[in-house]
Amino acid sequence: QVQLVQSGAEVKKPGASVKVSCKASGNTFATYAMHWVRQAPGQGLEWMGWINVGNGNTKFSQKFQGRVTLRSDTSASTVYMDLSRLKSEDTAVYYCARERPGGSNWFDFWGQGTLVIVSS
Amino acid sequence: QSALTQPASVSGSPGQSITISCTGTSSDVGNYDLVSWYQQHPGKAPKIVIYEATRRPSGVSNRFSGSKSGNTASLTISGLQAEDEADYYCCSYAGSATRVFGGGTKVTVL
Repeated sequence: QVQLVQSGAEVKKPGASVKVSCKASGNTFATYAMHWVRQAPGQGLEWMGWINVGNGNTKFSQKFQGRVTLRSDTSASTVYMDLSRLKSEDTAVYYCARERPGGSNWFDFWGQGTLVIVSS
Repeated sequence: QSALTQPASVSGSPGQSITISCTGTSSDVGNYDLVSWYQQHPGKAPKIVIYEATRRPSGVSNRFSGSKSGNTASLTISGLQAEDEADYYCCSYAGSATRVFGGGTKVTVL
């Protein structure tokens, strides 16, 4: 069983950056895709991007291109998501979600979510 | 990339069947059988119920089933139970290694 444990809630000012971590434990594979999905208060899920934790390749939604960075530290089994130039509209719960290895394009394990509040 | 279109809400009585639609385009839902469905209870992380449009992961009730026709995927919940009351989201592969979610559907058990 895989567990994804994310870092704690953050409060940031507009224009600042935030880093959220996602640590994997359990029966993890050497290479898989970790996706990031966010959910604004009372709103739906929004796909942000993913990283191949084995080789570091990334892909982002056009909406976040240039503002989000994903990095993996394989020795620590941890993926980091950095979001810069924060705006109030970035207030949301941010989830990491592992894509099931094998190319079937679904998310089998999710982190518990990290609330990021952007407020002056 | 526009969000997939889902009805905002669907309701049904216990024991009934309901169906939630998820409409995309020929660039996402219509071009790939890579649609997944997630159930989300308030304050919780989403949980997979259907993948590859029609397949059910082990451990998910067989009351959940999926289908796809053209640009529209559907999730059917049969024998509706109180515990099925939740938000449901579809998600599709959208080409070039990207994904897109639907806007979500709130299911109410009357």
